[in-house]
Amino acid sequence: QVRLVQSGAEVKEPGASVKVSCKASGYTFTHFDISWVRQARGRGLVWMGWVNPNSGSTGIAQNFQGRVTMTRNTSTGTVSMELSSLKSEDTAVYYCARSSSPGFFEYWGQGTLVTVSS
Amino acid sequence: SYELTQPASVSVALGQTARISCGGDNIGAKNVHWYQQRPGQAPVLVIFREYFRPSGIPERFSGTNSGDTATLTISRVQVGDEADYYCQVWDSPVAFGGGTKLTVL
Repeated sequence: QVRLVQSGAEVKEPGASVKVSCKASGYTFTHFDISWVRQARGRGLVWMGWVNPNSGSTGIAQNFQGRVTMTRNTSTGTVSMELSSLKSEDTAVYYCARSSSPGFFEYWGQGTLVTVSS
Repeated sequence: SYELTQPASVSVALGQTARISCGGDNIGAKNVHWYQQRPGQAPVLVIFREYFRPSGIPERFSGTNSGDTATLTISRVQVGDEADYYCQVWDSPVAFGGGTKLTVL
């Protein structure tokens, strides 16, 4: 079965960077894009961008351009999202999700809590 | 960017029908998808492409989309349906509605 397993919770200081990983299994890794979505406590879902595991190409939401890097490792079946210059407002649960055509998310990771605090 | 508008909350009596709206400019021309999110859990896809249900989603969940409004309908509402519901379109970029909290009375 399809599974997306994310790395564990992180606590970072303002100005630092965080890297969250998402290991895919149960399907051909290079056949489906992976998106990242975040959710602050008590707030809605915010899409951050996508990565194509086959080509490595990415599409980053305007609000995160310049701060987010999305990468993939085809040998391990893992995608990663790195967010830099962290602010307290970046405290949220970060989800990876597998995209299906036309543009919906059928499978989600369990979420990774990133806390930004001094 | 494309904006989707949902009511903050909807309340429905147990066993009745809940309707959750999602408004957007000419949303009827777009593919709309819906997610259920229970507290502390990841979102779950319940409707894709307006009215298709993924495997394992009960027939009680249905969707429509026309004009400027898409609607998620949950028939014979159960206590377990109490959750937040989000609509979503892929409009470059991806847009999510603000979410609707469904309360079962």
